[in-house]
Amino acid sequence: QKEVEQDPGPLSVPEGAIVSLNCTYSNSAFQYFMWYRQYSRKGPELLMYTYSSGNKEDGRFTAQVDKSSKYISLFIRDSQPSDSATYLCAKSPYTGGFKTIFGAGTRLFVKA
Amino acid sequence: KAGVTQTPRYLIKTRGQQVTLSCSPISGHRSVSWYQQTPGQGLQFLFEYFSETQRNKGNFPGRFSGRQFSNSRSEMNVSTLELGDSALYLCASSLGVAGGRFGEQFFGPGTRLTVL
Repeated sequence: QKEVEQDPGPLSVPEGAIVSLNCTYSNSAFQYFMWYRQYSRKGPELLMYTYSSGNKEDGRFTAQVDKSSKYISLFIRDSQPSDSATYLCAKSPYTGGFKTIFGAGTRLFVKA
Repeated sequence: KAGVTQTPRYLIKTRGQQVTLSCSPISGHRSVSWYQQTPGQGLQFLFEYFSETQRNKGNFPGRFSGRQFSNSRSEMNVSTLELGDSALYLCASSLGVAGGRFGEQFFGPGTRLTVL
């Protein structure tokens, strides 16, 4: 079993839809949870990170962490064709090093 | 400011050869991490260098090695290439300390390595 499980999709939605992306994780030793977005032929870019359980909102994006069920979610409101990308969830220890563990990534297509 | 740069962007090698990839971090960043990305295994951590010292290491064989120079630029070397080494190799730079925006990692565009 991988430490971070993520459905690779693809997920296809119409423009304007609410998108829900999800991950589950094991090994609660890691404290930080992140979402990255990766466009084709580009490196991942950090979208959001959370440290504790609960919601964190940034514009159209909301990250949610439920440590009791080991569940991580990213919601995208009013999705746009420019949101079409691969979304990777990740977790990382609270140390000076960066041994980040990524999910497989979910490929999202937003149709105009 | 300039982002993370990686050279070369594409490489084609044959089995048994060795390869060196280069990464120039964002100015002021002292930490460089390397990752391997494949369709089957996803993004996997190789190692991290901070101030010319390897600080963390993933679960890859010794054929994968790296180093960091005093200007924070880093190189990754893979010896005796195997077909399974075909992947996108990404480097990420950061300040290397936790706190604030958690020492956000900035990724380069990657080097696409194909082993024939």
